[in-house]
Amino acid sequence: DSGVTQTPKHLITATGQRVTLRCSPRSGDLSVYWYQQSLDQGLQFLIQYYNGEERAKGNILERFSAQQFPDLHSELNLSSLELGDSALYFCASSVAEGGSPLHFGNGTRLTVT
Amino acid sequence: GEDVEQSLFLSVREGDSSVINCTYTDSSSTYLYWYKQEPGAGLQLLTYIFSNMDMKQDQRLTVLLNKKDKHLSLRIADTQTGDSAIYFCAETSGRDDKIIFGKGTRLHILP
Repeated sequence: DSGVTQTPKHLITATGQRVTLRCSPRSGDLSVYWYQQSLDQGLQFLIQYYNGEERAKGNILERFSAQQFPDLHSELNLSSLELGDSALYFCASSVAEGGSPLHFGNGTRLTVT
Repeated sequence: GEDVEQSLFLSVREGDSSVINCTYTDSSSTYLYWYKQEPGAGLQLLTYIFSNMDMKQDQRLTVLLNKKDKHLSLRIADTQTGDSAIYFCAETSGRDDKIIFGKGTRLHILP
């Protein structure tokens, strides 16, 4: 058990809808990362927050947004969903702003129909 | 830009050693990692090595780092069926602390 909790485990929704994925980092970790994993694209970095502030942005679409709250949990919002957004979404946390190992949650499997 | 490359598949007989290889491009990498992903699960940190080390051993796992050739390998001794998984190599960029992942090597165990 990595100590990183993600909810929900599975989500099925229709195109055009909006969903929110939630992540609680390991106790003591200040950084939260979001990754998208699909079969053809591998593991894609989306965005990182450190202690409530955005620190780095990767291949995140404008339809997607995230935030980290004062209690350090994070939410990833996906809107105007398309079939191609179907993927596993992982949250990871680390103790420092950068350079320290990431600890991953078990992911949220999103299916867009 | 930074890149991490690994072969996509490896098949090994149960009881043999598995060697998973990885190459990276960022010569200023500070840390290099191996993660394991079992079906339906997240990535589990297996081990990591500092860039000033050549080797790290942890039970059945041996990590070798050739910094000159920017080559990292993970050796799993006495491979078991439970080792069947996808193994990801990753590096931390020395420039901006970003962690870059390879596409993963799927390890298949033959009986």
